[in-house]
Amino acid sequence: QLQLQESGPGLVMPSETLSLTCIVSGVSISSTSYYWGWIRQPPGKGLEWIGTIYYSGSTYYNPTLKSRVTISVGTSKNQFSLKLNSVTAADTAVYFCARRYSSNFSFDLWGQGTLVTVSS
Amino acid sequence: QSALTQPASVSGSPGQSITISCTGTSSNVGGFNYVSWYQQHPGRAPKLMIYNVDNRPSGVSNRFSGSKSGNTASLTISGLQAEDEAHFYCCSYTTSATLVFGGGTKLTVL
Repeated sequence: QLQLQESGPGLVMPSETLSLTCIVSGVSISSTSYYWGWIRQPPGKGLEWIGTIYYSGSTYYNPTLKSRVTISVGTSKNQFSLKLNSVTAADTAVYFCARRYSSNFSFDLWGQGTLVTVSS
Repeated sequence: QSALTQPASVSGSPGQSITISCTGTSSNVGGFNYVSWYQQHPGRAPKLMIYNVDNRPSGVSNRFSGSKSGNTASLTISGLQAEDEAHFYCCSYTTSATLVFGGGTKLTVL
């Protein structure tokens, strides 16, 4: 079944590192047809693109988050990950992973999203 | 990077047509034909409705159409239905090889 599923802690302490994994089913993350991305949405607010990765490891990041973000592809599993360090309350959001076509820049398949709260 | 500009809200009656605008700059919307539109119902993940300015993915109703003029892209929904009520977001590729979303528009079907 074709799907993406985010997993990770729902609560992160301020100044710590937020870590999420997107488990991909039904399509190989090594396919040359797709890129893989992370998008977040603070409660009651709009969408914000975090970054995108190709299976080869090439990455593209939102410049406002670039200094704190790392996106990587799983080495032995069909998954990719997000790490956001030095988090604050402003990083509280629903985090979505998504699939993007190589031939355009739209996300055609999304995970259900996972709420991450930054609080002590 | 600054978000693309969308109206906060639009509304229309069933059967009518509405248009949502998405204004950027020559560094994003105006510079590329890589504008996409997403529909998001409360508590749900976004759904791709339009890609590459005016292309519909398989399964999306032909009541949804996209266009672009200069630095402004538009999403038009014809024959409004109650189920269309949702938030809509535009997204564009940029000269910095990044992506930027619009602030979102809440569509109300009266």
